[in-house]
Amino acid sequence: DQQVKQNSPSLSVQEGRISILNCDYTNSMFDYFLWYKKYPAEGPTFLISISSIKDKNEDGRFTVFLNKSAKHLSLHIVPSQPGDSAVYFCAAIANAGGTSYGKLTFGQGTILTVHP
Amino acid sequence: KAGVTQTPRYLIKTRGQQVTLSCSPISGHRSVSWYQQTPGQGLQFLFEYFSETQRNKGNFPGRFSGRQFSNSRSEMNVSTLELGDSALYLCASSSTSGGLYGYTFGSGTRLTVV
Repeated sequence: DQQVKQNSPSLSVQEGRISILNCDYTNSMFDYFLWYKKYPAEGPTFLISISSIKDKNEDGRFTVFLNKSAKHLSLHIVPSQPGDSAVYFCAAIANAGGTSYGKLTFGQGTILTVHP
Repeated sequence: KAGVTQTPRYLIKTRGQQVTLSCSPISGHRSVSWYQQTPGQGLQFLFEYFSETQRNKGNFPGRFSGRQFSNSRSEMNVSTLELGDSALYLCASSSTSGGLYGYTFGSGTRLTVV
């Protein structure tokens, strides 16, 4: 039962353009959503997060949008840079109720390639 | 500020052996979580510790165990290793339960079982 899904295994974008990475979830108990960036043989690096009571959060070139009714979130990177090339993971956690301590549920990841 | 430190970085073990991996969280972080990453299953949650207590556990067999010390450092142990245990094992720490502030991951331990 995959509760967090990233349906696009890869995305290729030209430098300077917008990168849009998508994520769908099924568990209504998730109350925080996070995006991580990962290089091979390294741990994921936290990028940006959003609470389920918000629909948008912005941090520099990164913006996350949340559509609760559609159980869908997306990460926008504008403008995209070659250094953004990495695997991007969407993750979710159900913090309320104290039953999911530390348990991030990850999507399968999307490989982003930004071409110069 | 030092990040999350995992040791060793690489490990090769023989089937049937046991292994212990170590994780030192960011200073002040009391929550430590462990994850297994494999090509087929992706990133999967193993367990979480807070103040030396296991508060949450994922769907892994009892061969996988962990503990946390009073200084928040954590270890995980895998007994009777199987070939399928070959993976990147990641540790993450947080000052609270993550949420908006996320978890900071270490670089991982690459375990190869032969």
